[in-house]
Amino acid sequence: GENVEQHPSTLSVQEGDSAVIKCTYSDSASNYFPWYKQELGKGPQLIIDIRSNVGEKKDQRIAVTLNKTAKHFSLHITETQPEDSAVYFCAAMGGGSYIPTFGRGTSLIVHP
Amino acid sequence: KAGVTQTPRYLIKTRGQQVTLSCSPISGHRSVSWYQQTPGQGLQFLFEYFSETQRNKGNFPGRFSGRQFSNSRSEMNVSTLELGDSALYLCASSLPNDNTGELFFGEGSRLTVL
Repeated sequence: GENVEQHPSTLSVQEGDSAVIKCTYSDSASNYFPWYKQELGKGPQLIIDIRSNVGEKKDQRIAVTLNKTAKHFSLHITETQPEDSAVYFCAAMGGGSYIPTFGRGTSLIVHP
Repeated sequence: KAGVTQTPRYLIKTRGQQVTLSCSPISGHRSVSWYQQTPGQGLQFLFEYFSETQRNKGNFPGRFSGRQFSNSRSEMNVSTLELGDSALYLCASSLPNDNTGELFFGEGSRLTVL
């Protein structure tokens, strides 16, 4: 089955800095890569996703890149703000399965 | 539109007991998935139900079971509780066979086993 590795497990930045979270996946059949943000006391919420026919996608301050050859995908947050502090999960899905496999999560802390 | 609702939000049980958690999906969503979240393991998939049938199952022991009703509401049950079952249990609903794959999560049921 699919295996998703996520790094780092904790990321601490100053407000205004950029943050990058990286994930790798094992199944070359995976073709959909969502990112979820989980705020304290809440369930995860989709913030951005990318499909395997696209190399990069942006939505305001967040962007996701995908390297299918290397089986890497990354989340980039620019101009971080304290409200970006949360746990971020990457996931991979595809190959006929509608069940995403999640990474173990990254706790992002943005210091004011 | 109301989101995914999970009850109870918090509960404390002792080893050996059993627990039932409930999930009401977003109206119109017929697929319901359950995840176990622990600090070290992230989000572990338990099972997925669609049209009252278990369609996918994760690698959890048989003590973990679930069901889905005709109105798409779902319950999961954990029998003979162990200390290691302490976790946040998340329910997520989605449109069936939705190729966007977006899951809509509830806020979870936090189970503590003493």
